[in-house]
Amino acid sequence: GAVVSQHPSWVICKSGTSVKIECRSLDFQATTMFWYRQFPKQSLMLMATSNEGSKATYEQGVEKDKFLINHASLTLSTLTVTSAHPEDSSFYICSARDIAKLGTDTQYFGPGTRLTVL
Amino acid sequence: AQSVTQLGSHVSVSEGALVLLRCNYSSSVPPYLFWYVQYPNQGLQLLLKYTSAATLVKGINGFEAEFKKSETSFHLTKPSAHMSDAAEYFCAVSDGGGKLIFGQGTELSVKP
Repeated sequence: GAVVSQHPSWVICKSGTSVKIECRSLDFQATTMFWYRQFPKQSLMLMATSNEGSKATYEQGVEKDKFLINHASLTLSTLTVTSAHPEDSSFYICSARDIAKLGTDTQYFGPGTRLTVL
Repeated sequence: AQSVTQLGSHVSVSEGALVLLRCNYSSSVPPYLFWYVQYPNQGLQLLLKYTSAATLVKGINGFEAEFKKSETSFHLTKPSAHMSDAAEYFCAVSDGGGKLIFGQGTELSVKP
């Protein structure tokens, strides 16, 4: 089956630093990847849509200068949390849309990255 | 606009009992509907999906869901719960364009 990986799986950083999270589709190509944020005991909130070779599309209320997204290849998207603060602590999950299965809107999710900002 | 409502943030069943997790959706276009399962500190795993083919959809681990347009529902069922089914379950809807809208989630507990 299709696999999406995320790195790192967890990260602890100091307030004011930047953190980069990678999302990779391992055995399929993805022109579109999605970044979600999940607070404890809550649902997933879509942050942005990452498009290969073009700018990301951010959901309303998400600061694009704070959450930088780059989708440089068909298998890699990165999310950089700039100048992180404790309120950015959360579980970040990515998903990748298989371009070979666009008709079924099939997405595969990564295992998530737990970010803790001290 | 699309939305999903999951009735019951927490459902508890006994091992071997029927599992029923409720999901109602709202969509102005024919929807694609999904059920995902999430175990603690993990990502989401697709259980099943409806994409305008058969209204009764069978998924992994013995789960199935029935799309009922008249009721705008897509409830998830499993005839006999297993301890390993204890997890968080999310219903989601999309318009086919890739953007998933998730419900609030339902935590399933299975008692021995």
